[in-house]
Amino acid sequence: GENVEQHPSTLSVQEGDSAVIKCTYSDSASNYFPWYKQELGKRPQLIIDIRSNVGEKKDQRIAVTLNKTAKHFSLHITETQPEDSAVYFCAARDAWELSFGAGTTVTVRA
Amino acid sequence: SAVISQKPSRDICQRGTSLTIQCQVDSQVTMMFWYRQQPGQSLTLIATANQGSEATYESGFVIDKFPISRPNLTFSTLTVSNMSPEDSSIYLCSAIMTGEGYTQYFGPGTRLTVL
Repeated sequence: GENVEQHPSTLSVQEGDSAVIKCTYSDSASNYFPWYKQELGKRPQLIIDIRSNVGEKKDQRIAVTLNKTAKHFSLHITETQPEDSAVYFCAARDAWELSFGAGTTVTVRA
Repeated sequence: SAVISQKPSRDICQRGTSLTIQCQVDSQVTMMFWYRQQPGQSLTLIATANQGSEATYESGFVIDKFPISRPNLTFSTLTVSNMSPEDSSIYLCSAIMTGEGYTQYFGPGTRLTVL
């Protein structure tokens, strides 16, 4: 099955700086790559996703890039704010099942 | 985006008992899933809930322990049977929505504590 690795496991950034989280996947058939943000005690919330026919997607301060050849994708958060502090999960989907990375705890320092 | 509700939101149960968690989606659903999330951990897929037929379980999860029903397109239940403290976790319902690019959403979760 699919194996998704996510790095780093923790990330501390100064408010206003950028944060980058990287994921790799093993199954070349995976074609959908969502990112979820989970605040303490809350459900995972989809923040952005990308499909295999697209190399990059941006939504305000959040962007995701995909390199299918290298089988890796990344989340970029610019101009970080305290409310960006959360756990972020990447995932990859082949057919219907999502496989998740281990998560990255992002802390934005004021 | 879709609204997925779960109940109960939390429960404290005694060892050896069973708990059934309900999940309701407010719009057209293609697939429904049940996940488990241990504190501080990632999400682990328990099973895919299939409408009108037996669920498809992932390795390490069995029907006798986690029976699942999906009587219609938008509703599913997960039962945690013969519970032990090791079953203490958050259980999340999830659905892939029809007509939204097959985006997957999550319910709010059920926090289960087994004493």
